[in-house]
Amino acid sequence: QVQLQESGPGLVRPSETLSLTCTVSGGSINKFYWSWIRQSPGKGLEYIGHIYYTGPTNYASSLRGRATISVDTSKNQVSLKLTSVTAADTAVYFCARLITGQHRNDYWGPGTLVTVSS
Amino acid sequence: DVHLTQSPSVLSASVGDRVTITCRASEDTSNYLAWYQQKPGKAPALLIYSASTLQSGVPSRFSGSGFGTEFTLTITSLQPEDFGTYYCQQVNNYPLTFGGGTKVEIK
Repeated sequence: QVQLQESGPGLVRPSETLSLTCTVSGGSINKFYWSWIRQSPGKGLEYIGHIYYTGPTNYASSLRGRATISVDTSKNQVSLKLTSVTAADTAVYFCARLITGQHRNDYWGPGTLVTVSS
Repeated sequence: DVHLTQSPSVLSASVGDRVTITCRASEDTSNYLAWYQQKPGKAPALLIYSASTLQSGVPSRFSGSGFGTEFTLTITSLQPEDFGTYYCQQVNNYPLTFGGGTKVEIK
C-alpha cells in the first residue's frame, strides 16, 4: 500500500524559506502526479500545486512565484519550497498522489504543521 | 481560477437522516469533481471522484451526482462516524481548487 510522509522544520522565521519533503513508500513515484495542499488553522484546504514525475509543474495563482515543487525519483521524494514566508503561511502541509484521467488525490500523507514565527 | 461554493457551510442532522451537500463551480468543470471527508486532525480521505464514482472501500450510503457547474454529495442514512468536514475539489482546470467545506455535525 502506498504511504506518504511529510517532513521538515516545524518552525520557520518570517521572510525565510519553508522547505518540506514528502517521502513515498510502498510504490513508485514514477508515472504519477504529486500534489502539495495546505490548511491554515481552522480553515479550509488550499491547493498549492503539483508536479509530474518527469518535472512539469502547475501552481496556484496566489502562490505562483513563491512556490517551487521538485521531484527526486532516485529517492522517491517530492519537495516543496516556499520563499518569503509570513505568518499567513502557517499551516498543516499535506502531500498527496494525484491520479489523472479519472482525476483525484487518492493517497495523502498525515500532514505536517509549519509555524511561521520569529 | 475556478471558484467552488459549497452549501451549507454547517449542517446539523440526526442519525438516519438523508443529507445533501451542494458544490457550485464558477465555470464548467464537466464531471471532473471529487469529494473528500476530513476528520479533525487527520488528512482528507477521498470519497467520490468523477462526480459520481465511489472510491473503493467507501460505504454505499455515499453518492455523488452532477455535471458542469452544479454537483451534490448525498449521504442516504447518516451514521455517527460520518461527522467531519466535507470538501469538493475541481480537477478539470489548472490550478486545481477546493470548495470552502461543509461541516457535518451529528445532533
